[in-house]
Amino acid sequence: QQQVKQSPQSLIVQKGGISIINCAYENTAFDYFPWYQQFPGKGPALLIAIRPDVSEKKEGRFTISFNKSAKQFSLHIMDSQPGDSATYFCAASKGRGNKLTFGTGTQLKVEL
Amino acid sequence: DVKVTQSSRYLVKRTGEKVFLECVQDMDHENMFWYRQDPGLGLRLIYFSYDVKMKEKGDIPEGYSVSREKKERFSLILESASTNQTSMYLCASSHGGTNEKLFFGSGTQLSVL
Repeated sequence: QQQVKQSPQSLIVQKGGISIINCAYENTAFDYFPWYQQFPGKGPALLIAIRPDVSEKKEGRFTISFNKSAKQFSLHIMDSQPGDSATYFCAASKGRGNKLTFGTGTQLKVEL
Repeated sequence: DVKVTQSSRYLVKRTGEKVFLECVQDMDHENMFWYRQDPGLGLRLIYFSYDVKMKEKGDIPEGYSVSREKKERFSLILESASTNQTSMYLCASSHGGTNEKLFFGSGTQLSVL
């Protein structure tokens, strides 16, 4: 049972472009939605996170947009750079304990 | 910086062997997790622990067990390895509480032949 659905599976963007990755969730009890970034040979690392009481969160070039009624959230990477090439995972959790349910991942490649 | 160390980067085992994957964190975190990562399936939670000697099943616990005898160490055990357990295994830790950041190790790529 896939509780967090992520798309696309892979994405190629030109340098300076906008990268957009989408996620949808089913469990309305989820109350925390982080994005993790993973480079080859490394474990995932927290990039940015949002709670459902706000519709948008921005940190530098990275923005999460959150639509509670549609049960969807997305990551936008503005002015994408080759150094952003990585695999991105959306995730969701509920309550205490930090037990995350992850999406299937998006492999982003930013070309020169 | 928080460090989560997994004992092996690559491991090759034979079907039926008992396999131990070790994970150590150095930040006194209460919570520890084992995930497996497979292409197209993302990260799936195997087991987690909120305290010493405490363990809870995640989404895919079948064929695995865990041990947490000390706060800093969380071991994943494959009682009888099978080829479908060939995967990347990731350990993570976090402070207790709500919405805490997970710190991941670099992973162990396990191949079961």
